[in-house]
Amino acid sequence: GAGVSQSPSNKVTEKGKDVELRCDPISGHTALYWYRQSLGQGLEFLIYFQGNSAPDKSGLPSDRFSAERTGGSVSTLTIQRTQQEDSAVYLCASSLGSPVEHVYNEQFFGPGTRLTVL
Amino acid sequence: GNSVTQMEGPVTLSEEAFLTINCTYTATGYPSLFWYVQYPGEGLQLLLKATKADDKGSNKGFEATYRKETTSFHLEKGSVQVSDSAVYFCALRGGGSYIPTFGRGTSLIVHP
Repeated sequence: GAGVSQSPSNKVTEKGKDVELRCDPISGHTALYWYRQSLGQGLEFLIYFQGNSAPDKSGLPSDRFSAERTGGSVSTLTIQRTQQEDSAVYLCASSLGSPVEHVYNEQFFGPGTRLTVL
Repeated sequence: GNSVTQMEGPVTLSEEAFLTINCTYTATGYPSLFWYVQYPGEGLQLLLKATKADDKGSNKGFEATYRKETTSFHLEKGSVQVSDSAVYFCALRGGGSYIPTFGRGTSLIVHP
């Protein structure tokens, strides 16, 4: 595809359930980021993958959040035992470049997954 | 750590008015600076960028100049349109960290 895709576009779940959010980055992009955008807030960094390196998980808000990236491409963000405060739009972005060069490259964002926890 | 500060919104303007959205940053070294735009219901799109001091990024009538001396990257447009209504995010990359830093976003509402 031409851009970053995310699925589902909307997810409504009940408190306590687990959810999985998927991100398909642009082919060839080695860097992949997950962000959370809450109502009226900016982008909150969650996790970052670069090539085959260990991910930077420093932004994950709790151990209920985890993410993986298989084969250096598709990524899945998992939220276990969802809480109402997890309701937000979850954005994925990817970019080109080496671990050093990529810091200056444009990020391409997906349309996001809107998660609502009832 | 790095930080980006944007003016609070919403900014409400009439069509054809002049737009300025202020952005200042804190970072070590020489980060790259970006403006992203998020239209209703969509993800963020890159609007313009500048990678070194005194560079001017421009796109779709929007401009921003990388001012190292004032650590600023203010977004301007001479004549806004209703279709410019969106949320605008200032961001930096580099500056001692590979994790991008975003401002909180500024909502722009343009009335006919």
